[in-house]
Amino acid sequence: DVKVTQSSRYLVKRTGEKVFLECVQDMDHENMFWYRQDPGLGLRLIYFSYDVKMKEKGDIPEGYSVSREKKERFSLILESASTNQTSMYLCASSLRRGYTFGSGTRLTVV
Amino acid sequence: QKEVEQNSGPLSVPEGAIASLNCTYSDRGSQSFFWYRQYSGKSPELIMFIYSNGDKEDGRFTAQLNKASQYVSLLIRDSQPSDSATYLCAVATPGAQKLVFGQGTRLTINP
Repeated sequence: DVKVTQSSRYLVKRTGEKVFLECVQDMDHENMFWYRQDPGLGLRLIYFSYDVKMKEKGDIPEGYSVSREKKERFSLILESASTNQTSMYLCASSLRRGYTFGSGTRLTVV
Repeated sequence: QKEVEQNSGPLSVPEGAIASLNCTYSDRGSQSFFWYRQYSGKSPELIMFIYSNGDKEDGRFTAQLNKASQYVSLLIRDSQPSDSATYLCAVATPGAQKLVFGQGTRLTINP
């Protein structure tokens, strides 16, 4: 089975901090994705990557950046955390279409 | 019009009955369709996918696809309390490398 691992299950950060969320997959998948999920708003795509060093903006990229230096690792960066970035962050990977999700990181910005 | 639409629910079904979850999509060129189950506080997990018109069965789950009507559904037979979750419909369009998700339907199975 494909495993997608997110480094932290829960995270509390202060406003203005730079925050790194890490995601690693173990099945040589080409595509990796970062979503956030908020009550009533569903899953919203932040960024995705279809190859090493390649990235594409999703629906809500503002305030975020990403890094993909190796195929198995896709990092989400909050440049200067704000309280409206408090959310559940989900990483996913796929070979063609069906996604496998990581267990999620619940980030609270105070 | 949203690209993928689901009734947000909550949908309440008695234990042992059939739960029927529906999803419509706007892009007629969509080719692949997925159902994810998400328990509260957990991440989505893939339970079914379907590519061709008709029915696809896997245990108690049946996915149904009607491309002419741009409609995909998930049936859960002999519903159990453990089926209580939010069910997300997702659609892949040609050339796109990402899925488009519906808002999800919250399903509650009552013992």
